[in-house]
This record gives sequence, structure tokens and C-alpha cells, in this order.
Amino acid sequence: QMTQSPSSLSASVGDRVTITCRASQDIRKYLAWYQQKPGKVPKLLIVAASTLESGVTSRFSGSGSGTDYILTISSLQPEDVATYYCQQYKSAPLSFGGGTKVEIK
Amino acid sequence: QVQLVESGGGVVQPGRSLRLSCAASGFTFNTYGMHWVRQAPGKGLEWVTFISYDGRKKYFADSVKGRFNISRDNSKSTLYLQMDSLRDEDTAIYFCARDPNSQPYYFDYGGRGTRVTVSS
Repeated sequence: QMTQSPSSLSASVGDRVTITCRASQDIRKYLAWYQQKPGKVPKLLIVAASTLESGVTSRFSGSGSGTDYILTISSLQPEDVATYYCQQYKSAPLSFGGGTKVEIK
Repeated sequence: QVQLVESGGGVVQPGRSLRLSCAASGFTFNTYGMHWVRQAPGKGLEWVTFISYDGRKKYFADSVKGRFNISRDNSKSTLYLQMDSLRDEDTAIYFCARDPNSQPYYFDYGGRGTRVTVSS
């Protein structure tokens, strides 16, 4: 099971934003992060907890190990408004966190 | 460019069956594992199932095990999801997605999805 927090947040442009994902057991960095904008397919941002996918802005970064992981947006921009999901792939069945909706204050 | 186009969704009564298809193009389909992922209205993402590049390995979410089956026809670059004994809680947008790994890990491309509504 994957637990994300907060479920939603509102921040100002330029703010540093952090989203937390906690696994029910050690997933050994087998963690991906996705961004989903309304009506769109989820976009893969980060794999292996901290490896940025090609073409993804360096505003995004991931960290963590064991059961606790963090997605950081270093300077929130209007185009970052979306819902963010973590997903473990340590073992099947795969599982997603409940999502974090990010809005601009 | 990678394209995944789902079809086959619709409105179906509880207990009935439906088969979804996903037509792939822009990549070598028979070298990639594939997923189905769903999203209920206003809800989060739920992984449904995965099939290996050659169709030999399949994995299922507990919520669909025994009711859904995933298959693929590499000669047609098409992925399928056979859904039997449908329940109200299966109502969702279903999208297919490509996995760049040999095991069920994550997906790097997904289709826009097809809507399934289970209702009497």
C-alpha cells in the first residue's frame, strides 16, 4: 500500500513544494512519480525514486529510500498545476498512491 | 511517435462482459510489456494488469483476478482486455500503457483511454 500526503495543496508561484509517499514496506527505491493534468494521460516524471525521465524539467526531483519518498518541485510554476501520483514497482500487484492535487494560490 | 489507441468501451449491465482493444503504433510492439490502468470518475489511478512482451507472463490486481484477462496479438500490434462478470465498481476510464522494462515496472506512454460504465 502507498500513502501520499498531502491529498491537496495550494502554493504560490515560485514556492518550493514537497509531496510525500510512504510505502507499507521497504520498496528499495522501486518508485515512480507521475504528473496528470486534467483530462490527460499521466506523464512519467521520475523512476527509481530519483532518476528524472528524459525531457522532464529539472524543477522536479525525487528522493528517499526504504519506505519514505519525496517529490520536490523546486519553484512552482503555473504549468505544474496537476495531480501527482507515486507508484511502487517492487512487486506485482503494482500500486499507486492516492494522489496529491497541486494548485496555485 | 508512440501511439496507443483504445476502443471497445461502452455501457454494460452488471454481470456482463466487454472486450477492450488497444492499437499500438510507432514502436516495436512485440518487444514491450503492456499494462492496463484504470481511473474511476474523479478518483485516482488503479493498476489493473500487465502482460509480458511475448504474452507468457501475466499479472493481475486482486480486484480483477479471475474476472479479467489480458492478451495480445503481436502480429496485429494490438493489446486486449477481456472483462467478465463486470461490477459497478469496474466503472472507469481504461487506458493501455507501455512498459519499457521486461517486468511490470512503470509506464512511459499511455493512450487516452476508453470509458467503461457498468450500470443496470
